[in-house]
Amino acid sequence: QLQLQESGPGLVKPSETLSLTCTVSGDSITSPTYYWGWIRQPPGKGLEWIGSIYDSETTYSNPSLKSRLTISLDTSKNQFSLKLTSVTAADTAVYYCARLLSGYDGSGFFYYFNYWGQGALVIVSS
Amino acid sequence: QSVLTQPPSASGTPGQRVTISCSGSSSDIATNTVTWYQQLPGTAPKLLIFSNNQRPSGVPDRFSGSKSGTSASLAISGLQSEDEADYYCAVWNDSLNGPYIFGPGTKVTVL
Repeated sequence: QLQLQESGPGLVKPSETLSLTCTVSGDSITSPTYYWGWIRQPPGKGLEWIGSIYDSETTYSNPSLKSRLTISLDTSKNQFSLKLTSVTAADTAVYYCARLLSGYDGSGFFYYFNYWGQGALVIVSS
Repeated sequence: QSVLTQPPSASGTPGQRVTISCSGSSSDIATNTVTWYQQLPGTAPKLLIFSNNQRPSGVPDRFSGSKSGTSASLAISGLQSEDEADYYCAVWNDSLNGPYIFGPGTKVTVL
């Protein structure tokens, strides 16, 4: 059974770097079928797409975060990671990692997250 | 700020049909497929509908999705107490260099 588990510091100081890792079990992150991505949700608010990765050459990032964002794969550990630099209080959120599918079917272009981790709360505060 | 529009809330009594709308534009819903996610209180979102109207295995058939032009809808038929949750539509947006856009969410309350 597929499981995704976020891990990383729960508290980050302003201007520092937020780093999270998603450990995947039950599937390989090198699977040709899937992408892997990150989504966040500020407390009491809606969902925001952060970005996704297929391989080291294929990544997509939210333009509003792109200058601060790095998403990478560690195939030896079956993990993928998120690094967000120069954080502020606005980056306080529950961060979810997820597996996603993207491509074309009879209805058109699809892009959706079909399995989610449980989420990790990261608070940005001094 | 989301470029998708959803009503902030919807409600119904058990057994009723509830419909949630998701309004977008020619750069997103009109050209790409719509996904719906359900988020029960205190849990991670769960895939509910993909490719406009497809249900993943395990999702009850009382949930259905549709799309027409720049709008999409999620219908819950035979509303049950366990359907009380937040529902988000989402779609890939071509005009913004491809960010994946979530709607602001609709809170469904079972009266």
